[in-house]
Amino acid sequence: RKEVEQDPGPFNVPEGATVAFNCTYSNSASQSFFWYRQDCRKEPKLLMSVYSSGNEDGRFTAQLNRASQYISLLIRDSKLSDSATYLCVGGYQKVTFGTGTKLQVIP
Amino acid sequence: GAGVSQTPSNKVTEKGKYVELRCDPISGHTALYWYRQSLGQGPEFLIYFQGTGAADDSGLPNDRFFAVRPEGSVSTLKIQRTERGDSAVYLCASSPQRGSYNEQFFGPGTRLTVL
Repeated sequence: RKEVEQDPGPFNVPEGATVAFNCTYSNSASQSFFWYRQDCRKEPKLLMSVYSSGNEDGRFTAQLNRASQYISLLIRDSKLSDSATYLCVGGYQKVTFGTGTKLQVIP
Repeated sequence: GAGVSQTPSNKVTEKGKYVELRCDPISGHTALYWYRQSLGQGPEFLIYFQGTGAADDSGLPNDRFFAVRPEGSVSTLKIQRTERGDSAVYLCASSPQRGSYNEQFFGPGTRLTVL
């Protein structure tokens, strides 16, 4: 089983929609979790760290569910500029990147 | 300030040749990572340096791959006897903090094509 798993998508959503991605992790000892954003043919950039208590940054909300071993990313009021691949990152002692979930926001 | 830089941006080589990929981390960042990313996949960990030493090289696929960071700043990833399967984007990242579980700042990558 992969250490970090994500649905590759693509998720095609209209502008203004709310979309949520989940990511599961296999190592229950995993300590650190992040969401990175990667635009086509560009490098990954940190979007948010994921804290145990959950955290919000504008239209983005990240949550951690340790009991079920998943993290989530919620994007409200989707913008065209949100179109990208969202990489889930987590691990114990060293982090592992998921394969990414592709989001396409449609006008 | 300057971000992570990588050279060359593109490298085309023939099967069996030797290549070197360079990474200049953000000044003052002690941690440096190398990843490999194939189309449709996430970055795959190769090696992590803390200072000059390789703290974790468990991701290097075989002994054709080697990386150094002799002065604790610039790092070079070296690939011997390249194979077509080595074609990928090689990403370098740095972090100001110890441990690979902190925010990483990525360079633009080197796109390696082995013919």
